[in-house]
Amino acid sequence: QQQVKQSPQSLIVQKGGISIINCAYENTAFDYFPWYQQFPGKGPALLIAIRPDVSEKKEGRFTISFNKSAKQFSLHIMDSQPGDSATYFCAATMRGGTSYGKLTFGQGTILTVHP
Amino acid sequence: DAGITQSPRHKVTETGTPVTLRCHQTENHRYMYWYRQDPGHGLRLIHYSYGVKDTDKGEVSDGYSVSRSKTEDFLLTLESATSSQTSVYFCAISEGTGTGNEQFFGPGTRLTVL
Repeated sequence: QQQVKQSPQSLIVQKGGISIINCAYENTAFDYFPWYQQFPGKGPALLIAIRPDVSEKKEGRFTISFNKSAKQFSLHIMDSQPGDSATYFCAATMRGGTSYGKLTFGQGTILTVHP
Repeated sequence: DAGITQSPRHKVTETGTPVTLRCHQTENHRYMYWYRQDPGHGLRLIHYSYGVKDTDKGEVSDGYSVSRSKTEDFLLTLESATSSQTSVYFCAISEGTGTGNEQFFGPGTRLTVL
């Protein structure tokens, strides 16, 4: 059962444009939502994360928007740059307790930013 | 970069053979995870460890076993490799599981089962 659904599968934007990637989750027990960035041949690296007690978190050009009632969250990349070209994964987990921080990932979005 | 190494980085093997992948960390983190990455599926958790000799199954554990005899090493074994286990395998580590305890990923092992 896929508990985190991510869209689109691929995204092409022009330099300077806004990239938007969306995720939806099913398990209301999830309480931590990280986004990972992965370059070819590398492991994923944490980009930004949010807890459900806030509706938005911004770090530089990267913003997470969170809608708890709709069980959806999204990543916005402002002023997209060719160096942002990578695969992006949303994820969700239950912090603490017996979940041991296990991450459930979305399917991934391949972002290409054209110069 | 977090001190995580995976070996081998690439392996080609034949169906039916046993395969062991190694994850080694120098961070002394308590939690270690094995994921597999396949197109269209993102990363899926295979097994995880919450301490030495303490392990449990993840989402896609069938056909895999793990062992952790030391804090720094987490081994993933495919008892009898099948073509469906062709994938890229990532190890991850975490100091804790509370908010702010990030999972750091290794460089990955590309496994091809012929």
